[in-house]
Amino acid sequence: GQQVMQIPQYQHVQEGEDFTTYCNSSTTLSNIQWYKQRPGGHPVFLIQLVKSGEVKKQKRLTFQFGEAKKNSSLHITATQTTDVGTYFCAGWGNTDKLIFGTGTRLQVFP
Amino acid sequence: GAVVSQHPSRVICKSGTSVKIECRSLDFQATTMFWYRQFPKQSLMLMATSNEGSKATYEQGVEKDKFLINHASLTLSTLTVTSAHPEDSSFYICSARDTERTSGLEQYFGPGTRLTVT
Repeated sequence: GQQVMQIPQYQHVQEGEDFTTYCNSSTTLSNIQWYKQRPGGHPVFLIQLVKSGEVKKQKRLTFQFGEAKKNSSLHITATQTTDVGTYFCAGWGNTDKLIFGTGTRLQVFP
Repeated sequence: GAVVSQHPSRVICKSGTSVKIECRSLDFQATTMFWYRQFPKQSLMLMATSNEGSKATYEQGVEKDKFLINHASLTLSTLTVTSAHPEDSSFYICSARDTERTSGLEQYFGPGTRLTVT
């Protein structure tokens, strides 16, 4: 079945450093979404990418969808303590289901 | 954005009992809702797709007789964990799509229900 993997699994950074998480799907995706889950909370939708090679920015966050629509990345510039949480990518493949990636847990030290 | 609620937020039950979790779309109608389970420090695993007025579609490895899903209206889906055991302790999250408001691909998640079976 479809699998979506993310690396790294964990990332600890000093406040102000950059952070990137990579998402790779075993199958081509029609679109990819990114979610953030704070400790103890539920996933909150961040963004959706649909087009091959698409790049979108939200303040310090930059999202990219690969040309082959099988991978994506999320880059955070100058992390802040409020960025702490687990970041999940999730993709729609050839089934009508959203499959979540394995997630990257980000810890930011002040 | 669209709001999805879940009730209860936390529940503790004894082994062998059943627990019902409700998922409601508050300001939109959802013909399809999804139930996920998340174990500590792990990703969300799709359990089943709940379809209004018809049977739920379960993912491979999920026992349909243990996790009963009912989607009787366009705003309510329920998940009943029957004969719960400690290994069923988990964070259960529902989500719904608002096909009228967005492209239909964005999912709105409920706040989750933390189930502890003692």
